[in-house]
Amino acid sequence: DTAVSQTPKYLVTQMGNDKSIKCEQNLGHDTMYWYKQDSKKFLKIMFSYNNKELIINETVPNRFSPKSPDKAHLNLHINSLELGDSAVYFCASSQGELAGAGEQFFGPGTRLTVL
Amino acid sequence: ILNVEQSPQSLHVQEGDSTNFTCSFPSSNFYALHWYRWETAKSPEALFVMTLNGDEKKKGRISATLNTKEGYSYLYIKGSQPEDSATYLCAFNFGNEKLTFGTGTRLTIIP
Repeated sequence: DTAVSQTPKYLVTQMGNDKSIKCEQNLGHDTMYWYKQDSKKFLKIMFSYNNKELIINETVPNRFSPKSPDKAHLNLHINSLELGDSAVYFCASSQGELAGAGEQFFGPGTRLTVL
Repeated sequence: ILNVEQSPQSLHVQEGDSTNFTCSFPSSNFYALHWYRWETAKSPEALFVMTLNGDEKKKGRISATLNTKEGYSYLYIKGSQPEDSATYLCAFNFGNEKLTFGTGTRLTIIP
C-alpha cells in the first residue's frame, strides 16, 4: 500500500487555468506538507498543516491555496497558473505535533508544466 | 538567514570504496537534523533523524554523526555499491516547525 499518494503524477495545462493536486496519506500522521522543487532541484517548504490547521505558510503567492478536509488529506489548489509555477510538487507527512521533528514521508511528486 | 550547506555538491566513488560528505548548519537554535536519500525519479526517503549532540546512527553500511556545538553532520557510506547512487539531502529543523533542506550531495558509484 502506498503510504503517501499524490494525483495526478503529471499535469500539463495552459497559463491562466486553475488546477488542483491531491495528496493522501494512510500512515495516521498528524502533519502534512507541500514542497516545491525549484529549477535548481532545491526542496522548499510551501505549507504545513497539523490536524487540519495551517501551521506554516511560507511566502507563497496567494494564488496557491491548500485545503485539508481531514488530517489524511492535504490538497493544493492553484489559481491563474503562470509559467513560473512549472515545477515538481511534493506532498509529505510526519507524525507528531511539532512539524519538522519526525522523519517525513514523501509522495511520488506531481510534475506540473504550464504552457 | 538560516542556511544549510552541503559539500561536496557531487561525488564520484569507485564501487567498494568508502566515502563521506558534510552538512553544515547554524549551531544556534538546534532542534533536529534529518538525512534523506533521494534516488532519481523517486521521492526522498528518510535515513536518519538526529537530535542530540554526539549522536551516531547507523543503517546497514550508512552511518551519520552529529556535532551541534560546531554545526555539522557527516554521512558515511562504507563499501559503496551501485545502488548507493543517489542525492543525499540533509535538512535542519530550527524548532520553528519546518525543515530547511540543503541542496544535496549527488553521489555516483562507478562500477
